[in-house]
Amino acid sequence: DAGITQSPRHKVTETGTPVTLRCHQTENHRYMYWYRQDPGHGLRLIHYSYGVKDTDKGEVSDGYSVSRSKTEDFLLTLESATSSQTSVYFCAISEPPTGGNGYTFGSGTRLTVV
Amino acid sequence: AQSVTQLDSQVPVFEEAPVELRCNYSSSVSVYLFWYVQYPNQGLQLLLKYLSGSTLVKGINGFEAEFNKSQTSFHLRKPSVHISDTAEYFCAVSEGSGTYKYIFGTGTRLKVLA
Repeated sequence: DAGITQSPRHKVTETGTPVTLRCHQTENHRYMYWYRQDPGHGLRLIHYSYGVKDTDKGEVSDGYSVSRSKTEDFLLTLESATSSQTSVYFCAISEPPTGGNGYTFGSGTRLTVV
Repeated sequence: AQSVTQLDSQVPVFEEAPVELRCNYSSSVSVYLFWYVQYPNQGLQLLLKYLSGSTLVKGINGFEAEFNKSQTSFHLRKPSVHISDTAEYFCAVSEGSGTYKYIFGTGTRLKVLA
């Protein structure tokens, strides 16, 4: 996944603790996204960003917050992790001018909340 | 609201046999359509996309898909599969050029048998 990296790749955390996942891109793409992948649900959008400090909610945003202080970094924070947030999290990037360019995905972060 | 349905959660097929993975969408406006492939423990890669023009779209690894507006379908096909095609396949839709949010289907796990 050239140009986009996620960290950490794996994390185990305890219920109630805060967790931050990082997405870093070197493509200078304007749009960045956080999805979660769960069996039977496919990929669901958590939050996305359309520029520095410009973010919006997706369909499953409850319990998550994001920040984008630089074009290249998009952070996803679980304020107080719950077992229902055990999932694989993917970051993606895309670039205008149209919605037809498709996404480039990171390799994912596997998060386990115990 | 737009949605994507992948009716088959799993498709087993023997090596060198043809395969079709089904995708149906609902949208009241023109759409862009995508197929992504996810190999084990990896992120998603773009397989092919339909934006406009010819309804038959060719992608990587010998896959192709046909856009059928009247049936609101975008089925993925390959005439002869290989063991290496074993992966999960996701269909996605974007409502035209004005949005950059994609809606993903729940995925179809293709298992190629020797």
